[in-house]
Formats: sequence, structure tokens, C-alpha cells
Amino acid sequence: QVQLQESGPGLVKPSQTLSLTCTVSGVSISSGSYHWTWIRQPAGKGLEWIGRIDTSETKYNPSLKSRVTMSVDTSKNQFSLRLSSVTAADTAVYYCARSSVGSGFTWGQGTLVTVSS
Amino acid sequence: QSVLTQPPSASGTPGQRVTISCSGGSSNIGSNSVYWYQQLPRTAPKLLLYMNDQRPSGVPDRFSGSKSGTSASLAISGLRSEDEADYYCAAWDDSLSGYVVFGGGTKLTVL
Repeated sequence: QVQLQESGPGLVKPSQTLSLTCTVSGVSISSGSYHWTWIRQPAGKGLEWIGRIDTSETKYNPSLKSRVTMSVDTSKNQFSLRLSSVTAADTAVYYCARSSVGSGFTWGQGTLVTVSS
Repeated sequence: QSVLTQPPSASGTPGQRVTISCSGGSSNIGSNSVYWYQQLPRTAPKLLLYMNDQRPSGVPDRFSGSKSGTSASLAISGLRSEDEADYYCAAWDDSLSGYVVFGGGTKLTVL
């Protein structure tokens, strides 16, 4: 049974870079069968797909593409998100998730990141 | 402004059947599968339906899905109090370089 756990600073200053890590257990992140995804949800609002990474490519939400970088650390079975030049609008619960073709997302529990000085 | 359009709210009484719609376009629902997620208060979303109408193991058959053209629907029959949650539809969108789009979510209230 796959499990995903987000970690990272809960508070980031405006204009700085938000960095989060998702630790995966129960499956090898380098297996090649899965997409590793970040999704966020501002308080009281809906879900926004940030992007995904797999063994062959990354895909990012066009609205965030200029500020997003995702990477994988196979030695630690982790994948990461970096979002640069953050503003208060980036305050949200950030979820990491796994999916494969036709499967839908399996979600982590989420972590709240607040952008504030 | 979400790419997929859902009604912001829906309601029903216990035992009733309710449906939640999700409207999109040719680049998303019109050419790709629809997924539905249930988000109970203060929890992470959970996959409810995949590939339009398939239930993951453990999801009751009270939940069903359908798709026609550029629209999809989630139906919940035999409504129960524990079904009170937010429901989101999602699909892959082929425009630009491709990305996942979500509906704005529907808050289901069990009266």
C-alpha cells in the first residue's frame, strides 16, 4: 500500500522560494509506472494541479510554469516541489499524490504553507 | 475560474438520489476520462470514481458516474449523512502542453 507524506517549512516569506518534499513508501519512485504530482488548495477554495514528474518528463500547470520546478531523489524515494517568487496567493494546503494512466490520484495528507512576512 | 464547471452546492435528504454535474470542453472531458474525488471536512481528497464510471475497491455502489460529450455526472443514491462532503471532478486537458483541470467543487449537504 503506497503512502505519501509531505514535509517542509510551514511559513515562507513573500518573494522567497517555497520548497516541499514528498516521501513515498510502499513503492519505488523509480519504478517508471507512475506520475508523481503536486496539487494545492487555498483555504475554502478548490483544487489546483501544480504539475507532475515521472521518469521521462515533467509537466506543469501553464499558469505556474514559470515559477515551478519539480525533481526526484531516487536514493531517498522522494520527490520535491520548488515554487519561486511566492506571494500571499500561494498560501494553501499542498498535497503530493501518485497516479498512473487511468488510475486517479492517491493523496498524501497535505501540508499547510503560509506566505507571510 | 475553474476550467470544469460544477454547481457550487447540492443537497438531499437521507435515502434520496442526488446528481452533481461537471461541464467541460472538447480538450478535456470531450477527449479524456473524468475522475471524481470526495473531500470530507478537514481531510485530503479521496478517489471516488476513475475512468468516468469505475469504482475503486471499497467505494460503495451507491456512487456511480457517467459521461456524455463534454459533460459528466456523479450520482449518489441512498444518500447518507456521511456523504456530506465536497465533490470535485477532474480531467486531463490536451491544450497547451497538457495538464490536469479540476472543477470548482460541489458542497453536498445532507438535510
